[in-house]
Amino acid sequence: AQSVAQPEDQVNVAEGNPLTVKCTYSVSGNPYLFWYVQYPNRGLQFLLKYITGDNLVKGSYGFEAEFNKSQTSFHLKKPSALVSDSALYFCAVPPRGGNNDMRFGAGTRLTVKP
Amino acid sequence: DAGITQSPRHKVTETGTPVTLRCHQTENHRYMYWYRQDPGHGLRLIHYSYGVKDTDKGEVSDGYSVSRSKTEDFLLTLESATSSQTSVYFCAITASGAWNEQFFGPGTRLTVL
Repeated sequence: AQSVAQPEDQVNVAEGNPLTVKCTYSVSGNPYLFWYVQYPNRGLQFLLKYITGDNLVKGSYGFEAEFNKSQTSFHLKKPSALVSDSALYFCAVPPRGGNNDMRFGAGTRLTVKP
Repeated sequence: DAGITQSPRHKVTETGTPVTLRCHQTENHRYMYWYRQDPGHGLRLIHYSYGVKDTDKGEVSDGYSVSRSKTEDFLLTLESATSSQTSVYFCAITASGAWNEQFFGPGTRLTVL
């Protein structure tokens, strides 16, 4: 079954430093992988997706993600964190044979400190 | 935000009472979903719809039912609410295709006492 895992519940970084939020995947065939962000008291918002092609995917708000097939990872990155990046981040994958729904990781809470 | 609204936004109810949550979209998307969000679990799919009157179960469907009589509305019903159904409920929509991102509503916080 298609699934993703987020090994870190919490990530803390200082403003201006690079950030990484980790995601590993287990899929059969070519993966479609997504990152979403959830700000307090809001629904999830799409950040970026990997379908095929370049392993480095650029998304909203200066985020990017690197697809690594050998390590089965899809880590979210940003070169310079902002306090406003503090939020809950979810990695997701559509299940094979599903109806276009998503299977989400448990989420990683990112806190950026001034 | 995409044109998705959820009502009510907050609800407190008692065990054993029926509850209906509404999701309304203005995007004319075919697919609609109900998820619940609980700490440590991310989002889990309750039910989904792939068209008017076409619905199916997700991974945590027990105790829930849905209906979709119009493209724009997707209702989630808890026939007899239990404390384990205390959660935040999100509606999402997408155009067809597994490669398309989902758009989420603002959520409904439900507390069952």
